[in-house]
Amino acid sequence: EVQLLEAGGGLVQPGGSLRLSCGASGFTFSTHAMSWVRQAPGKGLEWVSFISGSSSTTYYADSVRGRFTISRDNSKNTLYLQMNSLRAEDTAIYHCASTDYYFDIWGQGTLVTVSS
Amino acid sequence: DIQMTQSPSSLSASVGDRVTITCRASQGISNFLAWYQHKPGKAPKVLLYEASKLETGVPSRFSGSGSGTDFTLTISSLQPEDFATYYCHQYYNTPPWTFGQGTKVEIK
Repeated sequence: EVQLLEAGGGLVQPGGSLRLSCGASGFTFSTHAMSWVRQAPGKGLEWVSFISGSSSTTYYADSVRGRFTISRDNSKNTLYLQMNSLRAEDTAIYHCASTDYYFDIWGQGTLVTVSS
Repeated sequence: DIQMTQSPSSLSASVGDRVTITCRASQGISNFLAWYQHKPGKAPKVLLYEASKLETGVPSRFSGSGSGTDFTLTISSLQPEDFATYYCHQYYNTPPWTFGQGTKVEIK
């Protein structure tokens, strides 16, 4: 079964850091580009970051560039998102998604809450 | 960046109704458009890609049309499991990948 499973969310204070992970199974992870997409409370979907299968190419939304870092470990079939200098507006459910031009496989998401 | 505008933002419908959701791009995107269904607490699910191609396993009551800037998602006969929020998404000019604001389909 094709599956993506996120972990690492939680409550963090403004200015703090958190690292999310996304484990993949049921498909050849290394050949798939991946993205993080988030949904803030009461809001729609927002693309956050992209990484190619080989990690040679990464992109970031303007709202997170310089604060978030996407990476992957193909030997562990795992995608990561290191989030630093977190702000209240980063509060959201973070989904990982396989990115075959569009987002063809999604995880259920992990909740990140930034609050004091 | 390409802006995607969906309408309506919400609608109420009954089981068996025909439902149409529209999506407009701020510039031409050819047919590089996907539609997703999202239920609370669940993974979003792709329904259609390239504007009109049905993803494997998606029921045929879902259909899509359009090219350029104007697109529609149609559910021919609404089923109980179809109550959800629907998003359009352009992947013509990336980054960034951009979504419409969503259309919540509720039970009348």
